[in-house]
Amino acid sequence: SQQGEEDPQALSIQEGENATMNCSYKTSINNLQWYRQNSGRGLVHLILIRSNEREKHSGRLRVTLDTSKKSSSLLITASRAADTASYFCASTGNQFYFGTGTSLTVIP
Amino acid sequence: DAGVIQSPRHEVTEMGQEVTLRCKPISGHDYLFWYRQTMMRGLELLIYFNNNVPIDDSGMPEDRFSAKMPNASFSTLKIQPSEPRDSAVYFCASSLEGSGNTIYFGEGSWLTVV
Repeated sequence: SQQGEEDPQALSIQEGENATMNCSYKTSINNLQWYRQNSGRGLVHLILIRSNEREKHSGRLRVTLDTSKKSSSLLITASRAADTASYFCASTGNQFYFGTGTSLTVIP
Repeated sequence: DAGVIQSPRHEVTEMGQEVTLRCKPISGHDYLFWYRQTMMRGLELLIYFNNNVPIDDSGMPEDRFSAKMPNASFSTLKIQPSEPRDSAVYFCASSLEGSGNTIYFGEGSWLTVV
């Protein structure tokens, strides 16, 4: 992809379990953002972490950033069926590329 | 705010025809993006504008694609002539510098070229 890769490409878990998705990017960044895409819809912003931050929380979301490894992770705790969607990371500021996405399925 | 507005939402056209996709960004946003999403290639950045000026069009696939932003509230992406491999969802998005460039997406234009 233009930017990098998410891992895994697909993830299936039971409701109530935690979901972890990883993102690797290719270039230096200003910010790293995570987005969610429900089927047939546009992407929706979830959380932003700046390049000088290492961890950030928002509700059931926890994002970490390791600029030395050019990687980030998104943790969704206590998953719900409504969390079923595709999740993308993106570097923004100088570039605006998205990763390949992780398709998350939460089984009720 | 109404968000990013795209039209048409769905279009089916015959190969060789001209396709024009339209976008109205969020008022006050100074960046506008055009992305293309397919199963095979994922989400690709085609071009982006800053203050109506094209900054990076390196993602535009070929000369059949062109994009314009005549003013701060309107942009078009044109494909002429269209080909079946152009079938995809085309997203317009906008953002505001200084907000971390959080990108706000429209609902997409679903293009099918037959």
